[in-house]
Amino acid sequence: DGGITQSPKYLFRKEGQNVTLSCEQNLNHDAMYWYRQDPGQGLRLIYYSQIVNDFQKGDIAEGYSVSREKKESFPLTVTSAQKNPTAFYLCASSIALRNLDGYTFGSGTRLTVV
Amino acid sequence: GNSVTQMEGPVTLSEEAFLTINCTYTATGYPSLFWYVQYPGEGLQLLLKATKADDKGSNKGFEATYRKETTSFHLEKGSVQVSDSAVYFCALSYNSGNTPLVFGKGTRLSVIA
Repeated sequence: DGGITQSPKYLFRKEGQNVTLSCEQNLNHDAMYWYRQDPGQGLRLIYYSQIVNDFQKGDIAEGYSVSREKKESFPLTVTSAQKNPTAFYLCASSIALRNLDGYTFGSGTRLTVV
Repeated sequence: GNSVTQMEGPVTLSEEAFLTINCTYTATGYPSLFWYVQYPGEGLQLLLKATKADDKGSNKGFEATYRKETTSFHLEKGSVQVSDSAVYFCALSYNSGNTPLVFGKGTRLSVIA
């Protein structure tokens, strides 16, 4: 079955460390996205990519970095510059940036800074 | 710019009660509209969608009608179950330009037996 896989489900990071969250899809989707979810804040867009080797900043890109070297993969690095990284991170994909089918989401990674 | 406003939660209902979660939007042109549902500890799942005015999206007993005159897409269900307890997100996709989906802040629904 096609889908989108995020790993790990839970991740703990010490302050000052970088950490990379994995997102892989086998849906043959061109566009991929990263969102951050905090209680009461809804979803906030971090980065998105319309096509391989291209990505754009979302609303809260500071302290994060991404790469899109393969169509299937869109890893997110949370750097030490991100002051409050504890949150639930969601990856999504879609056929194209504009489409009538909406997005397919992964099951999320919960990051906790210890 | 484009935006989506949802009623604030949490919403608490008894089983078999009628549900309405309000959603209004601001957008130029004719966006596509979506409702997503998020169960505890999971990602979002597409619940239903409507792509033009007066379309009605429906799924699992939930319905929403695209009302252009009131710029609304309210989610309704005639009889909720405990298993409907989740967070519901309204979203819009602007049909021109290069803009990702815009999401509302979400409305938490708790259904008690």
